[in-house]
This record gives sequence, C-alpha cells and structure tokens, in this order.
Amino acid sequence: EAGVAQSPRYKIIEKRQSVAFWCNPISGHATLYWYQQILGQGPKLLIQFQNNGVVDDSQLPKDRFSAERLKGVDSTLKIQPAKLEDSAVYLCASSLDWGNEQFFGPGTRLTVL
Amino acid sequence: AQSVSQHNHHVILSEAASLELGCNYSYGGTVNLFWYVQYPGQHLQLLLKYFSGDPLVKGIKGFEAEFIKSKFSFNLRKPSVQWSDTAEYFCAVNRGGGATNKLIFGTGTLLAVQP
Repeated sequence: EAGVAQSPRYKIIEKRQSVAFWCNPISGHATLYWYQQILGQGPKLLIQFQNNGVVDDSQLPKDRFSAERLKGVDSTLKIQPAKLEDSAVYLCASSLDWGNEQFFGPGTRLTVL
Repeated sequence: AQSVSQHNHHVILSEAASLELGCNYSYGGTVNLFWYVQYPGQHLQLLLKYFSGDPLVKGIKGFEAEFIKSKFSFNLRKPSVQWSDTAEYFCAVNRGGGATNKLIFGTGTLLAVQP
C-alpha cells in the first residue's frame, strides 16, 4: 500500500516570498491533516479536512496560510507571504475516517531566510 | 487547553538497558492516547495506542505503555532496548469521541542507544 506522498521534500525561500506544498493521501482516506513541526517541538495541527470540507482550522494563521482539498483527494498548503518563524517541517497525514489511525508523510522541510 | 508533557528530552542508554519514557497530559475528559516513533530519516509511525479497556497496551517491537488515569500518565516502557530503537518518540493525545481527530503532541524524547 502506497503511503502519504508529499512534495517538495525541501524548500528554501526568502521572507515575504510565497510557497506551496502538495500532499497526496493514502487512497480512500477521507480525512487529511496538515501539521507544522518547529524544531524542538512536537507537530501542531494546522488544518483538518473531512473529504473536501474543513473540520478544524483553529490554529491556521489565516492571514498568511491557506489550504484546500478541492476534490477530496490531494491537498495543497500555501504560505503567502512567508516569515522567518514559518521555518519548520510541514507534515501531511491521512486517516481512513476521522476516528482512525493517522498515517504520516515524510514532510516538507521549509527554511525561510 | 489540552497539553502533553514529556519530561525527558534526551535519553542515552546502553543496549539491553530498560527504558521508561514519561508522558503526562492535561485533560479531564475521555482521551485516546498514542505513542509515535520517528526513526532517523523515516516518517512518523504509530508505536501503540490506547482507546479503552486494559490500561496496559502492547505495541510493536516489544514496546508497551500503561495508562494511569489518576496520574494523567501514559508512560512508554521496553524491558531491553536495542541499538535499532534509536529514534525520537512522541506522546500524543486526542479527545475521545470528539468532533475532530486532532492530535496534541508532546515535544518528543530523543533516545540514543549505544551498542
């Protein structure tokens, strides 16, 4: 079974630039999550989708971050404009449904200079 | 707000030593508890989970954890570690029966096992 795919794996940008991350969940998984993991901390949920609807985006900085999952499969997370404090690993996870085990992708390591 | 505390940030052990990693959470209601592991260069993966029932949970690779409700704890144990257990370990919690499946993670414990 293929796992959660993410791209790119690494990204370096300058502050105030824009960046987008892509996630392809495990086939058939209805629930998709984006987490932010800052160095030395545990992952923090940014947004959770159930199919193509948002379930929880309470910790998403909506002035600069946006995410979508238009067809209920792939998802993109965008940061515009980026700040230095956005440097982190962005993890995508998926689960069969909202109450099930979450499977994590390899993450995208973002460095903002 | 829910939070998860992992008191050991770095642990160094020799092979065959016993391991116990502490995890405490702050939430008075029903919770589901998890331990995730991240081996060097690999994804986060589930080690074990507790939803209900027997508070002593067994996971993969000989790991186990005990849920002690009165202490709000879910400590991870392994009687004899191996070099291949070198990894970062995360405790996580979510609300049982909640509307979302949001996981609240601790800050992680980096375990180094010396051969």
